[in-house]
Amino acid sequence: DQQVKQNSPSLSVQEGRISILNCDYTNSMFDYFLWYKKYPAEGPTFLISISSIKDKNEDGRFTVFLNKSAKHLSLHIVPSQPGDSAVYFCAASSRTGKLTFGQGTILTVHP
Amino acid sequence: DAGVIQSPRHEVTEMGQEVTLRCKPISGHNSLFWYRQTMMRGLELLIYFNNNVPIDDSGMPEDRFSAKMPNASFSTLKIQPSEPRDSAVYFCASTLDRGEGTQYFGPGTRLLVL
Repeated sequence: DQQVKQNSPSLSVQEGRISILNCDYTNSMFDYFLWYKKYPAEGPTFLISISSIKDKNEDGRFTVFLNKSAKHLSLHIVPSQPGDSAVYFCAASSRTGKLTFGQGTILTVHP
Repeated sequence: DAGVIQSPRHEVTEMGQEVTLRCKPISGHNSLFWYRQTMMRGLELLIYFNNNVPIDDSGMPEDRFSAKMPNASFSTLKIQPSEPRDSAVYFCASTLDRGEGTQYFGPGTRLLVL
């Protein structure tokens, strides 16, 4: 049972435009959400997070939105840059220390 | 800080052989996680330790897999005997146990079992 789902395996965006990556979850006990970015041959690196008490968190070009009623979160990257091309993983935690990851979305930003 | 260190970075072995993967967490972190990434299953948690004690090993696929953390700065994941279906990238991650969940990953070990 996939508790965290990223339904889009891939996304292609033009440089300068907005990239929107989506994530859905089913476990209502999740109260902390994270986005990780992964380049080939490297480990995932932490990008941005949001607590369930918030609905938005912004860090430079990256913004994460949380809709608890819909059990949905999204990552917005604006403006997108070619260096943002990577696999993006959504993850969720219920403060047990464990993270549950989605399957990942491959983002390609074209010059 | 050097970050999470994993060795070896690549391992090619034959079916039936023992494989040992190693991890050094970030100094001061007290939780350590082992993950496996495959095309089919994505990134899945195998086991995690808190203060060197295994807390949850429900993700360990079968008895062929074992993990130890003899001290705060070292952990091993062992597969004995290895099988071709164990081929994957194995990641180690560590965190300070604040409950906020942000984990820091090593570069991974790419394992190929022939």
